[in-house]
Amino acid sequence: DTGVSQDPRHKITKRGQNVTFRCDPISEHNRLYWYRQTLGQGPEFLTYFQNEAQLEKSRLLSDRFSAERPKGSFSTLEIQRTEQGDSAMYLCASQRRTQETQYFGPGTRLLVL
Amino acid sequence: GIQVEQSPPDLILQEGANSTLRCNFSDSVNNLQWFHQNPWGQLINLFYIPSGTKQNGRLSATTVATERYSLLYISSSQTTDSGVYFCAVDAGGTSYGKLTFGQGTILTVHP
Repeated sequence: DTGVSQDPRHKITKRGQNVTFRCDPISEHNRLYWYRQTLGQGPEFLTYFQNEAQLEKSRLLSDRFSAERPKGSFSTLEIQRTEQGDSAMYLCASQRRTQETQYFGPGTRLLVL
Repeated sequence: GIQVEQSPPDLILQEGANSTLRCNFSDSVNNLQWFHQNPWGQLINLFYIPSGTKQNGRLSATTVATERYSLLYISSSQTTDSGVYFCAVDAGGTSYGKLTFGQGTILTVHP
């Protein structure tokens, strides 16, 4: 399977715990995006990487959120001190270059109790 | 930022019917994609269509960039077409390719 993969697919955690999600983009796609989708809404942009450089962060990304993409390959999104409002689907997408198709992974569904 | 509006918000069809979904956007775009989100949350690419017309089986899409809208046509609908359809655009410039999504159209196809 050469698509975008995400791990884990589901995560249940208690408020205040830290969680980390992983995204593996399509090989040779140097652009990687994270989005968040809450119930009944369209996905919203969180952050973007060009290779290993994080070039843009949304105002949605509070200081409890951090993302990395070491060596320009896979990416991780960490949420510290989770809150119930963080419950959402976290989606990763990759793209070879602008003005081409963005391909989405299956998402990680987070539930904070 | 760019605004994306989809209509209708909900659509209920009998199997075999045809439908048209609309996406209006407020500014010029570099990229426009249509997605189908299945019940498990996976966003499935339907079309990359910043302008022009494309067809894929029972689905086709048209984007009129100068008038800032796109249409998705579904012909001879099937129950498996049910789900949420999203339009998403990249405004270009300093957007770094990020997509701005509409609110989606929830399609239900009854047998």
